[in-house]
Amino acid sequence: KAGVTQTPRYLIKTRGQQVTLSCSPISGHRSVSWYQQTPGQGLQFLFEYFSETQRNKGNFPGRFSGRQFSNSRSEMNVSTLELGDSALYLCASSHGTGAYGYTFGSGTRLTVV
Amino acid sequence: TQLLEQSPQFLSIQEGENLTVYCNSSSVFSSLQWYRQEPGEGPVLLVTVVTGGEVKKLKRLTFQFGDARKDSSLHITAAQTGDTGLYLCAGPYSGGSNYKLTFGKGTLLTVNP
Repeated sequence: KAGVTQTPRYLIKTRGQQVTLSCSPISGHRSVSWYQQTPGQGLQFLFEYFSETQRNKGNFPGRFSGRQFSNSRSEMNVSTLELGDSALYLCASSHGTGAYGYTFGSGTRLTVV
Repeated sequence: TQLLEQSPQFLSIQEGENLTVYCNSSSVFSSLQWYRQEPGEGPVLLVTVVTGGEVKKLKRLTFQFGDARKDSSLHITAAQTGDTGLYLCAGPYSGGSNYKLTFGKGTLLTVNP
């Protein structure tokens, strides 16, 4: 059974640019959550999608957005990149709310220069 | 304010030693999850504890959920170099209508040969 796949693994962007990250969840999982991980803040919740609808949202500016497709694949977009957006972006999938556990992808390492 | 406080933040021990890491909160959680994350990878779920006072064992790892469901501990017996990694606890948090999985900042464990 394939795990959670995130692409690309590494990305280098310039300030002001925008970026799109992709996540394919485990087959059958309808919930996809996104997290930003930095050394100082740890894992911070960005948003969660379930059946193509954003179900929950964290405390991030509107430059961070996402969507989910009918096949449960999800994308997140960051516009007008800032240096502080450099982080590991993790996608996690689960059957329902994730209260009993998430399966994470390997992440996308974004570096903004 | 971090809902889940993990201690210690860093731990460096020799192979064969025992250790305990802690996850504490002032809030009650319906369940708590423990993950291990290796460099450059996403977190991997180790266990979910659900019932207050519950103890779960996974080979050399013993997880305990506090009676009041506000804290949890992870004890490793006879640590091995393969146990090296970032140990994260996480719990479902409901703030108003916003339900999400919130993480502690983790304990970075290094097991030296």
